[in-house]
Amino acid sequence: SYDLTQPPSMSVSPGQTARITCSGDALANQYTHWYHQKPGQAPVLVMYKDKERPSGIPERFSGSTSGTSVTLTVSGVQAEDEGDYYCQSSDSHGTHVIFGGGTKLTVL
Amino acid sequence: EAQLVESGGGLVQPGGSLRLSCSGSGFSFSDYPMHWVRQAPGKGLEYVSGITFSGHTTYYADSVKGRFTTSRDNSKNTVFLQMSSLRADDTAIYFCVKDLDTSAWGVFDIWGQGTLVTVSS
Repeated sequence: SYDLTQPPSMSVSPGQTARITCSGDALANQYTHWYHQKPGQAPVLVMYKDKERPSGIPERFSGSTSGTSVTLTVSGVQAEDEGDYYCQSSDSHGTHVIFGGGTKLTVL
Repeated sequence: EAQLVESGGGLVQPGGSLRLSCSGSGFSFSDYPMHWVRQAPGKGLEYVSGITFSGHTTYYADSVKGRFTTSRDNSKNTVFLQMSSLRADDTAIYFCVKDLDTSAWGVFDIWGQGTLVTVSS
């Protein structure tokens, strides 16, 4: 299927580690990318091709994969990491782009 | 610095039409695929459409296929989204986005600020 599933929300305390998961059949054969969106702002690319970090993104962001599931890990969470995180991938042809439903990360 | 600026949003009646524009700067616009992504109020991101760097090929989400048309004018560094037969569920912020590199498709490294389209009578 082309659906990507994310937990709707999660919360962590500052300094802890947040692991945001994304699952879907498409992920077994396609790369996953991650975006962070703060309220009222456009999304920002924080991880691409599963585990590549764009320039300017802190090293505390990392990515990993396991079969049909991918994980975005934020180590040593900071208040500025709060917001919505979306995973994104594509179908087997690479042209049908799909987003996960998003995970709202709250920093307690 | 790469930048995208959308324009053309506004209030339109159901069944009406609207054309969005997106102007790019700070990068070689004609080398990159471009896309539109939308976000309904309080909802998640939804892919709308994409166009290859040359403009020869376009892709559409099933929800807009046959109603929306994406085009580009590389001489003016601009991509367009022509929307027709608009429905209430097309109400959203529409983001113009750029691919990360010239060979990528669907890795969105630069986003515009978005333009709001409201479909209501």
